[in-house]
Amino acid sequence: ETGVTQTPRHLVMGMTNKKSLKCEQHLGHNAMYWYKQSAKKPLELMFVYNFKEQTENNSVPSRFSPECPNSSHLFLHLHTLQPEDSALYLCASSQRGLAGVPRPDNEQFFGPGTRLTVL
Amino acid sequence: GQQLNQSPQSMFIQEGEDVSMNCTSSSIFNTWLWYKQDPGEGPVLLIALYKAGELTSNGRLTAQFGITRKDSFLNISASIPSDVGIYFCAGQGNMLTFGGGTRLMVKP
Repeated sequence: ETGVTQTPRHLVMGMTNKKSLKCEQHLGHNAMYWYKQSAKKPLELMFVYNFKEQTENNSVPSRFSPECPNSSHLFLHLHTLQPEDSALYLCASSQRGLAGVPRPDNEQFFGPGTRLTVL
Repeated sequence: GQQLNQSPQSMFIQEGEDVSMNCTSSSIFNTWLWYKQDPGEGPVLLIALYKAGELTSNGRLTAQFGITRKDSFLNISASIPSDVGIYFCAGQGNMLTFGGGTRLMVKP
């Protein structure tokens, strides 16, 4: 247990469906992240939230829509996805300095991921 | 953008053997991290390195932060079946940049 939980663990959806992924961290961290992990590719950072504000959007298509209602919860809303969006979606959290700058001890802790399959 | 080259991509070894993997980068990082990912799970932090030249151990694992801050290696001594998984290096700059991973398979 890393202190970061994700639901659901597995999701199968059609291209016209709308679904949401949920992440919750119990570590008191102030930054949360969404990553995409595809087969044979390095982890790809998608979004970063510092103190509930989105600070990074790594050219992610608009069919992925993040939401961070508070520092403990992070959502990823999905709509009209494509089969190539099938992947493991990982959430992570860390503690950042007041200016949002990484600190030496701000290792990221990952959740178990949601395995998404788009048909 | 920053890239990390991690090698080897995969290793198939006999139980009891030692393992070594490394990461190199064209950029300097302030922190190097090593993660392990089991099938169906997220990456779990193994070792964090904060200073150039730093050598840190965690049980059978030893990692070093290169003097140039552009590389790091991870050694696993006396491997056991539960060491199976994918090992990722990550360099911490403004964001974490991950290597492509080393898939380790251990034959009992």
